Amino acid sequence: GQQLNQSPQSMFIQEGEDVSMNCTSSSIFNTWLWYKQEPGEGPVLLIALYKAGELTSNGRLTAQFGITRKDSFLNISASIPSDVGIYFCAGQLGGTASKLTFGTGTRLQVTL
Amino acid sequence: GAVVSQHPSWVICKSGTSVKIECRSLDFQATTMFWYRQFPKQSLMLMATSNEGSKATYEQGVEKDKFLINHASLTLSTLTVTSAHPEDSSFYICSARRDRGRGEQFFGPGTRLTVL
Repeated sequence: GQQLNQSPQSMFIQEGEDVSMNCTSSSIFNTWLWYKQEPGEGPVLLIALYKAGELTSNGRLTAQFGITRKDSFLNISASIPSDVGIYFCAGQLGGTASKLTFGTGTRLQVTL
Repeated sequence: GAVVSQHPSWVICKSGTSVKIECRSLDFQATTMFWYRQFPKQSLMLMATSNEGSKATYEQGVEKDKFLINHASLTLSTLTVTSAHPEDSSFYICSARRDRGRGEQFFGPGTRLTVL
């Protein structure tokens, strides 16, 4: 099935640094979502975006719905060790009733 | 709120046996649930969409006779892996789409299946 391209594939950063990652698609989506997955667990929803150009924050996390509707960005400010995990973007084409298409994931490691 | 549980969390079985995995939305109703499969260091791949009271919709390449889905109530969907083989070993994750609100999807903790 289709997957969205995420970059970078992995990141090794120091505690306190800011993190940026993005997700791109060849087709448009009407909803973008960002999830975090820790080892042996299911994904946890971080931020949901419903409108092109929308910028939404959740604590130290900020995500944007790209104007073209083909991309989205996630920023994490002042990273802490518990930010470690895999971050997945997901797009929905037909609104919230339709299935999700997941990105390839960005693996984040935070060192002290 | 918006908690989804899966049972069992892990299972080891012999080749040729069938395994049933349950997915429950604990505090909301979900007419639609989804089943995903995830191999190590890979993303989630949708297997099928489960609809309460009707047949599941399978993604291309997913054998419906091998992965039986039943969605008998608004809070429970089950996935049965029939005649399991070692290549079926994977991490199976369900999600439930909340009927109310914006219909966000919430994921279960996953089930690790190992077929010997």
